[in-house]
Amino acid sequence: NAGVMQNPRHLVRRRGQEARLRCSPMKGHSHVYWYRQLPEEGLKFMVYLQKENIIDESGMPKERFSAEFPKEGPSILRIQQVVRGDSAAYFCASSPGAVSSTDTQYFGPGTRLTVL
Amino acid sequence: RKEVEQDPGPFNVPEGATVAFNCTYSNSASQSFFWYRQDCRKEPKLLMSVYSSGNEDGRFTAQLNRASQYISLLIRDSKLSDSATYLCVVTRGNMLTFGGGTRLMVKP
Repeated sequence: NAGVMQNPRHLVRRRGQEARLRCSPMKGHSHVYWYRQLPEEGLKFMVYLQKENIIDESGMPKERFSAEFPKEGPSILRIQQVVRGDSAAYFCASSPGAVSSTDTQYFGPGTRLTVL
Repeated sequence: RKEVEQDPGPFNVPEGATVAFNCTYSNSASQSFFWYRQDCRKEPKLLMSVYSSGNEDGRFTAQLNRASQYISLLIRDSKLSDSATYLCVVTRGNMLTFGGGTRLMVKP
């Protein structure tokens, strides 16, 4: 059973370009979460999605960032007009259902975005 | 004040030592509690859930005190491979909130 998959693992963009990060959840998982980890900082929640629905986007910057989880295919985190401050590791996690004491989120290997 | 607070460390300990990490959380509505481990430049991996009754997994013991909003992790007989950052995590609904992590370095 493959784990959470993310690609690309490393992404380099110049300021002003667009970045697209993809995440395929674990088999049987219908809940997807995106987190950002800035250098030398902790993980910060960005957005929580289920198929075709954004459930909670309270951690998403108001501009330039968007996320989707279509009926078919991976979840996509899209960053438009990237700036240097967007350089970070972006982790995707998935869970089969509601998080509980016995069922939590499992993380993908992350995408490291570098903005030149 | 951060919602989940941890001493960032680093904790430098010799092999075989016992080391304890503490974590406090501010939201009394938090529902589930976990310790994750993160190796340098890798993804967080679940270490163990934390229960009020306390739970043990091999050399690792976790404890939760809901009244004090305090979580602990004890590692006995430290191994070199235990060197990592340990993340205290609390949940409310489906949202995980991470502490900043405590860095552990086990030396020979």
